[in-house]
Amino acid sequence: GAGVSQSPSNKVTEKGKDVELRCDPISGHTALYWYRQSLGQGLEFLIYFQGNSAPDKSGLPSDRFSAERTGGSVSTLTIQRTQQEDSAVYLCASSLEGYTGELFFGEGSRLTVL
Amino acid sequence: RKEVEQDPGPFNVPEGATVAFNCTYSNSASQSFFWYRQDCRKEPKLLMSVYSSGNEDGRFTAQLNRASQYISLLIRDSKLSDSATYLCVVRPLDSNYQLIWGAGTKLIIKP
Repeated sequence: GAGVSQSPSNKVTEKGKDVELRCDPISGHTALYWYRQSLGQGLEFLIYFQGNSAPDKSGLPSDRFSAERTGGSVSTLTIQRTQQEDSAVYLCASSLEGYTGELFFGEGSRLTVL
Repeated sequence: RKEVEQDPGPFNVPEGATVAFNCTYSNSASQSFFWYRQDCRKEPKLLMSVYSSGNEDGRFTAQLNRASQYISLLIRDSKLSDSATYLCVVRPLDSNYQLIWGAGTKLIIKP
């Protein structure tokens, strides 16, 4: 497809389980962001990838969160030992370059931790 | 104080009316400004960038007031399809990729 693709669209898991969220950005976009959005809140920055540069992981809330981007394309966000406060929509966005301000988002992965 | 603040609304507006809402930002060194639109349970999409001199795109007008540190969005002749949450986004001067997001203003256009 032409847009950013995320999977799964919905994930319900039990507290303590690990989850993996996937993002397939628009072809040719070198910049990739992960954000988290909770109800009534602004987007919370998690991590930023730009080409082959070291990612900016400054937004990851704890060491239970990690992300990687293989081959400059697909990215996975992994949450280990999930907690109820991890419940949110996880949004992935890509852009041609980070500085443009025009981000193209996927539809998000809605995570519910029971 | 939040870095980017918006009135959460909702703003209930009759179809055809003009509506405006503001967004304030705390970092005076912010360099770029944007309005995104987010429909219910959908992803955000860029509506328009905000330029220093103000800019217009059809029924939408965006303005920047650096002295008072706010940006505004005005929608003329509102349509039912304008119902959405409008997110204010600010890029700080010390980053060429970071974006600071407001929590959004919810707009409901009523027939």
